[in-house]
Amino acid sequence: GENVEQHPSTLSVQEGDSAVIKCTYSDSASNYFPWYKQELGKRPQLIIDIRSNVGEKKDQRIAVTLNKTAKHFSLHITETQPEDSAVYFCAASFSSARQLTFGSGTQLTVLP
Amino acid sequence: DGGITQSPKYLFRKEGQNVTLSCEQNLNHDAMYWYRQDPGQGLRLIYYSQIVNDFQKGDIAEGYSVSREKKESFPLTVTSAQKNPTAFYLCASSIYRASTDTQYFGPGTRLTVL
Repeated sequence: GENVEQHPSTLSVQEGDSAVIKCTYSDSASNYFPWYKQELGKRPQLIIDIRSNVGEKKDQRIAVTLNKTAKHFSLHITETQPEDSAVYFCAASFSSARQLTFGSGTQLTVLP
Repeated sequence: DGGITQSPKYLFRKEGQNVTLSCEQNLNHDAMYWYRQDPGQGLRLIYYSQIVNDFQKGDIAEGYSVSREKKESFPLTVTSAQKNPTAFYLCASSIYRASTDTQYFGPGTRLTVL
């Protein structure tokens, strides 16, 4: 089955700096890569996703890049703010399974 | 994601008891999922259902059971066979039309074994 590895497990940045979280996946058939943000004790919420037919997608301060050849994708957050502090999860899925396999999460802390 | 509800928010179970976690959605989604989340770990799939009266095991189905008698409902029973059930349980749903379906999560149930 699919295996998704996520790094780093914790990340601290100064407010205003950029943060980058990286994920690798094992199944070359995977074609959907969402990112979720989870605040303490709350539900994961989708913040951005990318399909395999594009290499990059942006939404204001958030961007995701995908390298299908290398089987990795990354989340980029620019101009970080304290409210960006949360756990971020990457995930991957492929068409025949219709399941998401999640990474282990990254605790992002934005220091004021 | 406001269309997915889970109850109760907190649940306490004595060893040897079965408990059932509720998950309801009014989004007209075909697929529903149950995940388990342990501290410092990602979400692990327990069971999923793509249509009514059908469901499949996920990666960690042992000690759990589900039913899908209605499109809107996908309850999860944690049986006494689950040796370490204390965790945060999340239900999700998606439209079953393509592999790129977005999954929307409920607010979760925190289960503690006493």
